[in-house]
Amino acid sequence: DAGITQSPRHKVTETGTPVTLRCHQTENHRYMYWYRQDPGHGLRLIHYSYGVKDTDKGEVSDGYSVSRSKTEDFLLTLESATSSQTSVYFCAISDRQGQGETQYFGPGTRLLVL
Amino acid sequence: GESVGLHLPTLSVQEGDNSIINCAYSNSASDYFIWYKQESGKGPQFIIDIRSNMDKRQGQRVTVLLNKTVKHLSLQIAATQPGDSAVYFCAEKLGYSTLTFGKGTMLLVSP
Repeated sequence: DAGITQSPRHKVTETGTPVTLRCHQTENHRYMYWYRQDPGHGLRLIHYSYGVKDTDKGEVSDGYSVSRSKTEDFLLTLESATSSQTSVYFCAISDRQGQGETQYFGPGTRLLVL
Repeated sequence: GESVGLHLPTLSVQEGDNSIINCAYSNSASDYFIWYKQESGKGPQFIIDIRSNMDKRQGQRVTVLLNKTVKHLSLQIAATQPGDSAVYFCAEKLGYSTLTFGKGTMLLVSP
């Protein structure tokens, strides 16, 4: 594994509650990503970060926010969880962008919104 | 929850066979491609990558072939083992854009 941990690994929550997922890396990589994975879809990018306090939206960013106050931590917040946000969430890291960018993934967080 | 492996095309092979997993990518201008392996309940794991200026790249027991004319990528696994059973998916990238992932193929290896 590429030195990436995600917490919690499993969470059950209720509709309307805020939820924060954490990604922690020990590789000192500049770029960090949050994806969601659902049956019938490929991995879809939610948000990504290209440095401390530098973030941008991905393909499916509505209902999600992120923060990166330290190189090693990237937080994903569901501001008010909905059942459509039930998914498996993966964090990924890379040390470059452009050609040759290889993203390494964490173990995932399985989120169930009731 | 429902497994990400459901609804995917499936390739079933016998242990020791060679496996070929295919991927049609979407953007003819994509210049970088990656193959990932995902075992049940785990995160995607990098297998091999290839740049668009190459047609073939070999790793340990794996070979990736790139056919830019028909926007096709394939992953060949030699002497497939039960531990190779997983979902395999490709990803493509153009320049500094973000990676775009395919939906994947499930590989089932029978002893």
